[in-house]
Amino acid sequence: NAGVTQTPKFRILKIGQSMTLQCTQDMNHNYMYWYRQDPGMGLKLIYYSVGAGITDKGEVPNGYNVSRSTTEDFPLRLELAAPSQTSVYFCASSQINTEAFFGQGTRLTVV
Amino acid sequence: GENVEQHPSTLSVQEGDSAVIKCTYSDSASNYFPWYKQELGKRPQLIIDIRSNVGEKKDQRIAVTLNKTAKHFSLHITETQPEDSAVYFCAAPLLSGGYNKLIFGAGTRLAVHP
Repeated sequence: NAGVTQTPKFRILKIGQSMTLQCTQDMNHNYMYWYRQDPGMGLKLIYYSVGAGITDKGEVPNGYNVSRSTTEDFPLRLELAAPSQTSVYFCASSQINTEAFFGQGTRLTVV
Repeated sequence: GENVEQHPSTLSVQEGDSAVIKCTYSDSASNYFPWYKQELGKRPQLIIDIRSNVGEKKDQRIAVTLNKTAKHFSLHITETQPEDSAVYFCAAPLLSGGYNKLIFGAGTRLAVHP
């Protein structure tokens, strides 16, 4: 059981570039989440999904897009990267109202 | 609005003392309340959780209490040790469009001094 796997671990983007953060889980969880964590701050929900084909906005969705074509995968797309998107991104998965398991995080810097 | 508020933002205690962190939530339909610990540079990990059908749950030195009427829940750590130093987050599922989205509090940075 690998749990929740995120790639890449680190990335530097130039302003205006785009990229996709990958997230895969092997626990057959229905719920998947993307959070961002700015330095010294809390976890802000970007988008979440309750199953394949169903996604919804979280607290800070602007500048991001997601898709959920399979139970296992929940990629996060950044279009037109901005310095304000410099952060650590965590993917997580769970069943409803149970423990959420986090990936190891992706440290993104936009310069 | 929909939110989870957490206090205090920082907490400093002497080794062996107790630490208490409090959270309030806005959605009266919330029925699951987890607490996560995040060590520096690591991912958050669950340390304890409680469901709305109980008022208190204990696991060795940590306990969580829930007051559904007042919509608040608290984390209690007794006999604190230096390895308890970390950032602690509460969370609650807030109902949105028929689905639960897991919202976190802003975090409490706990420092335990030897």
